[in-house]
Amino acid sequence: EAGVAQSPRYKIIEKRQSVAFWCNPISGHATLYWYQQILGQGPKLLIQFQNNGVVDDSQLPKDRFSAERLKGVDSTLKIQPAKLEDSAVYLCASSLNTNEQYFGPGTRLTVT
Amino acid sequence: QKEVEQDPGPLSVPEGAIVSLNCTYSNSAFQYFMWYRQYSRKGPELLMYTYSSGNKEDGRFTAQVDKSSKYISLFIRDSQPSDSATYLCAMTRTGANNLFFGTGTRLTVIP
Repeated sequence: EAGVAQSPRYKIIEKRQSVAFWCNPISGHATLYWYQQILGQGPKLLIQFQNNGVVDDSQLPKDRFSAERLKGVDSTLKIQPAKLEDSAVYLCASSLNTNEQYFGPGTRLTVT
Repeated sequence: QKEVEQDPGPLSVPEGAIVSLNCTYSNSAFQYFMWYRQYSRKGPELLMYTYSSGNKEDGRFTAQVDKSSKYISLFIRDSQPSDSATYLCAMTRTGANNLFFGTGTRLTVIP
């Protein structure tokens, strides 16, 4: 069974630029999550989708972050404009239920 | 107070040692407890999953939950250099939308 796929793996941008990350979940997993993991910390949920609907985006900085999941499969997370404090690893996870989430390799973002 | 507290380490042990990793939590509603292993530059990998109190064993790994003390542990027996990674505890409650993670403990097993 293929795991969660993410791209790109690494991205370096300057502050105020925009960036987009892509995620393809495990086949059949209706729930998709985007997490932000700052160095030395545990992942923090940004947004959760159930199929193509948003379940929880309470911790998503909506003035600069946006996410969509068209057709209930792939998802993209966008940051515009980026700030220095957005430097982190962005993890995508998918699950059949909340308790067993499977993570992708992450996208390491550096904002200079 | 954070909902989940985890000693960040780092923790270094010799090969073959028994490792004990721990987390405490404050929300008594948490019922589902997980341990994830995260290798450098990789995503977290689900290692152990337990429900409510008790022990669960899988090979060299044992997960233990003490809900009365709000304390969970992961034991690794006969530790190997390949166990060197960051271990994250995570937990949630019925009806919650997300997992609550600890900060992770960085473990190094020295050959």
